Amino acid sequence: AQSVTQLDSHVSVSEGTPVLLRCNYSSSYSPSLFWYVQHPNKGLQLLLKYTSAATLVKGINGFEAEFKKSETSFHLTKPSAHMSDAAEYFCVVSDERYSTLTFGKGTMLLVSP
Amino acid sequence: NAGVTQTPKFRILKIGQSMTLQCTQDMNHNYMYWYRQDPGMGLKLIYYSVGAGITDKGEVPNGYNVSRSTTEDFPLRLELAAPSQTSVYFCASSYFPPGGSGASGELFFGEGSRLTVL
Repeated sequence: AQSVTQLDSHVSVSEGTPVLLRCNYSSSYSPSLFWYVQHPNKGLQLLLKYTSAATLVKGINGFEAEFKKSETSFHLTKPSAHMSDAAEYFCVVSDERYSTLTFGKGTMLLVSP
Repeated sequence: NAGVTQTPKFRILKIGQSMTLQCTQDMNHNYMYWYRQDPGMGLKLIYYSVGAGITDKGEVPNGYNVSRSTTEDFPLRLELAAPSQTSVYFCASSYFPPGGSGASGELFFGEGSRLTVL
């Protein structure tokens, strides 16, 4: 079975500094990987998706993630945090039939002025 | 654009009561999903459907039932509510399968239904 582990439950940064949210995955097949974001009291929104076309994936709002097979990692980064980035972020992996998704436990990003 | 609409947004149930969470999407999506979200636990898949008339169990189906008689609607039924079903429930839909190459398969989420069982 597939799984993802988000290594930090909370990450705190200052506005204008880089963001790094860490995710490791486990699967016995070539997975699709995603990052979703959830703002307070809202549904989730797709940030980006990896499907093996390119290891560096660019998403919305300046976020990007790099797929590293040797490290089984899919970390999310952004060069400069903005106050509006404060939210919960979920690393997600598809099943081997690509029809369902398994979510990590989430990382809460806190951005201070 | 309505997208994915869930009702009700909030509900309090007594132990043993039953209720149905409604989910409707107007995007002609084949794939629909029900998740529950508990603090610090991420989202867990309850049931999903790949088209009208087809449903399948997810990771945590016990205590729930679903039906998919139309493309637009995917209601979630709670029978004999228990305190362990206190959670926030999200319905989602996608046009393509969420994994695999090609089209994004993006899941579109409703805004959630907060259920408390006392």
